Order: sequence, then C-alpha cells, then structure tokens
Amino acid sequence: DVKVTQSSRYLVKRTGEKVFLECVQDMDHENMFWYRQDPGLGLRLIYFSYDVKMKEKGDIPEGYSVSREKKERFSLILESASTNQTSMYLCASSSGSQSYTFGSGTRLTVV
Amino acid sequence: KNQVEQSPQSLIILEGKNCTLQCNYTVSPFSNLRWYKQDTGRGPVSLTIMTFSENTKSNGRYTATLDADTKQSSLHITASQLSDSASYICVVTLRDSNYQLIWGAGTKLIIKP
Repeated sequence: DVKVTQSSRYLVKRTGEKVFLECVQDMDHENMFWYRQDPGLGLRLIYFSYDVKMKEKGDIPEGYSVSREKKERFSLILESASTNQTSMYLCASSSGSQSYTFGSGTRLTVV
Repeated sequence: KNQVEQSPQSLIILEGKNCTLQCNYTVSPFSNLRWYKQDTGRGPVSLTIMTFSENTKSNGRYTATLDADTKQSSLHITASQLSDSASYICVVTLRDSNYQLIWGAGTKLIIKP
C-alpha cells in the first residue's frame, strides 16, 4: 500500500521556536508538496519540489523553508514559529499528472 | 483570477439519501478537474479525475460530471452512508502544469442516521 507519512499528527510549539515537519513517501514520486489548510480556505501551497535538491515557492512561502536532500523525504521548516502559523500542514507527492497522494496531516499549534 | 467555488458550504442529509455537490471554476487554461474526499483530521483522498474531454466519471457510489463549456462540475453521491461524512474538495489543474492546482474550500457533508 503506497504511503505518504508525516512524522507527527499533533505538535505544540512556542513562538520563536524552529520547527521541522518531516514527510516521507515510498512511491518513488518525483514531485512533493507542502500545503497548509485553514478553516474556510482551500489548501494553499507553501513549497513544492520536483526533484532532489530542487524547490519552488508556492503561493505562501513567507516564513517557511524546505529541504529535499533525498527523493523520498521533503522537510518543511518554520525558522521562527509564529501564532499565525497555527494550522494543519499536509504533505503530498505525485508522479507526472497522476493524482496526488496525501499524508494524514500535522496539526501544529504555536502558543 | 483563477478560482474554484463550491456549494453548498455544508450539507446535512439522512443516511440512504442521495445528494449533489457543486463546483464552479474560472480556471484557465484548464487541464483536469479532481474531486477529493477528506475525513476529519486526515489528508484528502482522490475520488475522481476528469480531463477536458470527459463529462462523467464514476467511482462506486460517487459520480462526477463535468461541463467544460459552463465550467461546472458536480459530485453526486448515491445511497449515502455514515462513512460518507467528510469534506469534499474540488480541485482544478492548470494546463501544462502538474503543480498549479486551484483548490476549492470544500463542502462539509454530514450524514445523519
């Protein structure tokens, strides 16, 4: 069964902390994505990567960075967490035009 | 502006009844339209994907339609079950891009016993 695994389901961090969200896929997909999802809004793309060490800004990259050192792993980094980054974070992967496969999400609360 | 709008925002129906969810989009150039189901606290799961030339696609009790002329899509759920309670999200992909997806805000569907 193909999978996208996010390392944490729930996370509580303090303002100013550096936060790492990890995502691993086992489908050998070249494309990986980080989204955030807030109530009443569609998913918003933060960053995506179409190859190892490649990254592209999405619609809302401010306050975030990413790392893709290996094909199967895509990390989202909050350099200095702020309360407005409290959200559900979803990682996804895809190959070509195939449908995306999502992880279960990480609900991050910044206090 | 590329947008996807879904209606209704939320819907409550009795178990066993049918329902139809709507999606209107103003995305151009259009590549494909996808419907996702998202259970509470989980990531979205793909239900259907339709290209410009397809006007209907089924996945079990779920049937999606697409009218590319009017830029409308619907998702029809037949004989609803309690497990259908979820958010249903319509997503449109820009042509020549595997990355540029325009997401609707979703319809929250609640099935009551």
